[in-house]
Amino acid sequence: SQQGEEDPQALSIQEGENATMNCSYKTSINNLQWYRQNSGRGLVHLILIRSNEREKHSGRLRVTLDTSKKSSSLLITASRAADTASYFCAGGSEKLVFGKGMKLTVNP
Amino acid sequence: NAGVTQTPKFRVLKTGQSMTLLCAQDMNHEYMYWYRQDPGMGLRLIHYSVGEGTTAKGEVPDGYNVSRLKKQNFLLGLESAAPSQTSVYFCASSTPDWGLRKQYFGPGTRLTVT
Repeated sequence: SQQGEEDPQALSIQEGENATMNCSYKTSINNLQWYRQNSGRGLVHLILIRSNEREKHSGRLRVTLDTSKKSSSLLITASRAADTASYFCAGGSEKLVFGKGMKLTVNP
Repeated sequence: NAGVTQTPKFRVLKTGQSMTLLCAQDMNHEYMYWYRQDPGMGLRLIHYSVGEGTTAKGEVPDGYNVSRLKKQNFLLGLESAAPSQTSVYFCASSTPDWGLRKQYFGPGTRLTVT
């Protein structure tokens, strides 16, 4: 069973625009993570937010967490063609449970 | 520093054949994981290990066995492959720090069972 559900499942934007991805999860977590997967590659960790944090920034990434709504969002600002990838949220306590992923396409 | 490596990268098996996938990490991580990724299903945890000599079942363990004889290696075995095991398999590793357990992934093994 998936912990996270990303929304939307696919997003296509132009270079320079911002991309927002949402994730809803089911059970209690001690952290929520976002990963990126380029086509044919393994997942790469992007950012982690702990359950007692509400917002975190890393470069062009901004992640928020609302534990009362069991939801998180990932914002990528000033997107680039190289941001084209699938993005996964993952949450949990003892083990990480991954969502099904969301495909982002950034058109040059 | 190679991170997490997986062997082989591709494999085609006939139904009933067996094989072992090897995962190696050079980051001295305590925890290691095996996942499978299927279209539209995300990643699902097969087995994991919290230390040398220990293994535990994940979400979809049936048809797989694992061993962690050395800290740096985590082996995934298929004793009698089935077409339903056609998938991309990813190994990952992490530190045990509670709440900070970000995972480092290998490049994956694409397995086809005919």
